[in-house]
Order: sequence, then C-alpha cells, then structure tokens
Amino acid sequence: KAGVTQTPRYLIKTRGQQVTLSCSPISGHRSVSWYQQTPGQGLQFLFEYFSETQRNKGNFPGRFSGRQFSNSRSEMNVSTLELGDSALYLCASSFLQGADEQYFGPGTRLTVT
Amino acid sequence: AQSVTQLDSQVPVFEEAPVELRCNYSSSVSVYLFWYVQYPNQGLQLLLKYLSGSTLVKGINGFEAEFNKSQTSFHLRKPSVHISDTAEYFCAVTNNQGGKLIFGQGTELSVKP
Repeated sequence: KAGVTQTPRYLIKTRGQQVTLSCSPISGHRSVSWYQQTPGQGLQFLFEYFSETQRNKGNFPGRFSGRQFSNSRSEMNVSTLELGDSALYLCASSFLQGADEQYFGPGTRLTVT
Repeated sequence: AQSVTQLDSQVPVFEEAPVELRCNYSSSVSVYLFWYVQYPNQGLQLLLKYLSGSTLVKGINGFEAEFNKSQTSFHLRKPSVHISDTAEYFCAVTNNQGGKLIFGQGTELSVKP
C-alpha cells in the first residue's frame, strides 16, 4: 500500500505570494492532519480534516487554510507569505478521526525569501 | 490543556549501549501517547503507541516504552543501540477529542562507534 504523498517536496516563494501544498493520504484513510515544523517552534498542529470537514484547528492566523476533497486528498493554502512561514509542512493521515495512529508523509520544505 | 516535555534535547551514546529518552506529559483527561522517529530530510515514522491496556509497549526496531500514570511519564528505551538509530525522536500526546497531536520539542539521539 502506498504511503502518504506530498507535493511538491520543495518550494521557494517570495514574501507576499501565496502557496498551495497538496497531500494524498493512504488509500482508505479519511482523516488528514497538517503540521508545521520549524527549528524554533518545533512541530505544531495546523488543522485536521475528516470527511471533507475541518474537525480541529490549531493556533495559526487565518492566512493558513485548508480543504479536503471527496477522495480524501487535502490541500493547504498560505496567503500573503511571511519569512516566518519558512518551514517543513507535514501531512499525516489516519483511518479514523481521533486517537488513531497517524502516518506521516515526507513533507514539503517551503522557503520564503 | 495538554503539553509534552522531553527532558533531554540531545543524548549522545556509544553503539551497543542502552539508552533512555525521557518524556513527561500533562493532561487533565485520559491520554494516548506516541513516540515517533524522524531521520534527516524525512517525515515522521511511528515507533510505538499507548492507547490502553498493558503499560509496557513494544515497538519497532527494538524500542519499548513504559506508561506511568502516577509519574505522567512515557519514557522510551532500547537495550542496545545501533549507529542507524541516530535520528530525532518525538514524544506526542492526544486525547479522544480529535486527531490533534501535541509534540515535545524532540530529542536528538546520536550514536557513536
């Protein structure tokens, strides 16, 4: 069974631009969560989607948004990029919502210049 | 609110020696606990999880962890480490309210020959 895939793997953007990251969960998984990883703040939860609905949201500004499609694929969008948005963005999928083990993708490395 | 503290940011150890990576959590509700490993330029891989039942949990690659409710700890152990165990290790907690994982700051395990 294929793992979680994220595209693109690397991305360079300029301050003020917007970016869209994509995540394809493991086949059959219906829950997708997003995390931001930075050296200073560590791993922080962004949001979770289950059956196309946002079920949980972390403490990030409204510039960070996401959605989930009927095939469980998910996208996250960051508008008006800031230098501090440079990070590794990780997507994780699980079969159930809640305390089910999450399987992580390799991440998208976003650099904002 | 839940939180996780990993007591050591770096742990150097010689090959074939035992190792313990310490993790303490705080939560006012029942928790589920996880240990993940991250190799350079990769996503997170689940090592083991505690959901309920036996407090001694065995995971992949010879790792195990013990859930101690009275001390609110979930320390990770391996009796004999290999060079290939060099990586960053993250302890995480969640509850049954959703898929939001709260991570510790990580422990960098460095195995020397």
